[in-house]
Amino acid sequence: AQKITQTQPGMFVQEKEAVTLDCTYDTSDPSYGLFWYKQPSSGEMIFLIYQGSYDQQNATEGRYSLNFQKARKSANLVISASQLGDSAMYFCAMREGPNNAGNMLTFGGGTRLMVKP
Amino acid sequence: ETGVTQTPRHLVMGMTNKKSLKCEQHLGHNAMYWYKQSAKKPLELMFVYNFKEQTENNSVPSRFSPECPNSSHLFLHLHTLQPEDSALYLCASSRDNDNYGYTFGSGTRLTVV
Repeated sequence: AQKITQTQPGMFVQEKEAVTLDCTYDTSDPSYGLFWYKQPSSGEMIFLIYQGSYDQQNATEGRYSLNFQKARKSANLVISASQLGDSAMYFCAMREGPNNAGNMLTFGGGTRLMVKP
Repeated sequence: ETGVTQTPRHLVMGMTNKKSLKCEQHLGHNAMYWYKQSAKKPLELMFVYNFKEQTENNSVPSRFSPECPNSSHLFLHLHTLQPEDSALYLCASSRDNDNYGYTFGSGTRLTVV
């Protein structure tokens, strides 16, 4: 079974509008972390935002926020005020277990976001 | 620059060649990883090294051979590859209690001809 599912292979959004990228996950471990990364065409994976399973509040980082619904096992990324530079692949990832180095991340299949001028 | 440097950025090799990919980080991280990113497939974990010790080998064929001489350097030695091994190979590093997950390099785009 897929541990991380991103159901939107591609999304369009108008510049300056908000967009939500979906991510659902599957784990039985009570301790886990959820991450979102951006991958522009250059190939580098850029960290955007992190949510821990015990965090009470939704994570926010500038224009990025994470809509964490634990009971539904979803961790959607919300990008506000989209910019042309936001066009890229976006990956949701999960770390199961404590926040120790060496614990691997499992990635979803990604969503390609295209921002229209 | 993220602090994780991968060389070369692009590599074209024949199926009988031997080549190596290099990754280095000077972030003080103690774990390093190789991931493979093929078209239309999720990132696949290949190897994990923690404090220079290999802690994970995700059923990778023996034509891929990792080497981690110290916590700052990671190599992926390639020999007798197949065309289906063509992909973007990403190196990453991390440390304990770091909520930023991994720091990735820019990747090596490998084409096997």
